[in-house]
Amino acid sequence: QTVVTQEPSFSVSPGGTVTLTCALSSGSVSASYFPSWYQQTPGQAPRTLIYRTNTRSFGVPDRFSGSILGNKAALTITGAQADDESDYYCVLYVGSGNHWVFGGGTKLTVL
Amino acid sequence: EVQLVETGGGLIQPGGSLRLSCAASGFTISSNYMNWVRQAPGKGLDWVSVIYRGGNTYYADSVKGRFTISRDNSKNTLYLQMNSLRAEDTAVYYCARGGYTGYDPSYYFDYWGQGTLVTVSS
Repeated sequence: QTVVTQEPSFSVSPGGTVTLTCALSSGSVSASYFPSWYQQTPGQAPRTLIYRTNTRSFGVPDRFSGSILGNKAALTITGAQADDESDYYCVLYVGSGNHWVFGGGTKLTVL
Repeated sequence: EVQLVETGGGLIQPGGSLRLSCAASGFTISSNYMNWVRQAPGKGLDWVSVIYRGGNTYYADSVKGRFTISRDNSKNTLYLQMNSLRAEDTAVYYCARGGYTGYDPSYYFDYWGQGTLVTVSS
């Protein structure tokens, strides 16, 4: 069974930079898994941030960026703002079987 | 403007059935791959099912054999028929459109509905 792992929580100072990661239980994450990232605040639907590893969704500010770092997908927030305090989810497309597998999410605190 | 509006959630007893609907506007669902994603209270997101343009359907192992995804092209509406419901199916169910880059699927979710809550409890 494929498991996708994210840091459960992270903290960043206002104006700071933070990198959240997304790891695969079996092997390395690559672009062929079409990593994408979503932001969610309590009671709201997810908002799409990044797709195809590093393409920003329409209207997403350029302080959000995606990449592959080593064997993981990564979301970097540069110049963190108070309203970046949210839950962030990555999802990988694994094709057969369960098709898409979400990570458990990272709760980002900005303080 | 793309919009997805889910309806049909509610309180249902274990073993019961429920059908969720997702009314789409601003695009044609048959030209896209459409998904259901759920989120149990206080938990993370969990992919449930997809229907591709050609009609192929796939399910998460946790719902396979119990849930059925379908669409009505004339109504531009996506459905999720949920049978043999269990307490662990309690969640907000989101309808999500699959995203493309040009004509190629990019295997992500570009638009989301606001969700509908399903509570399975006696």
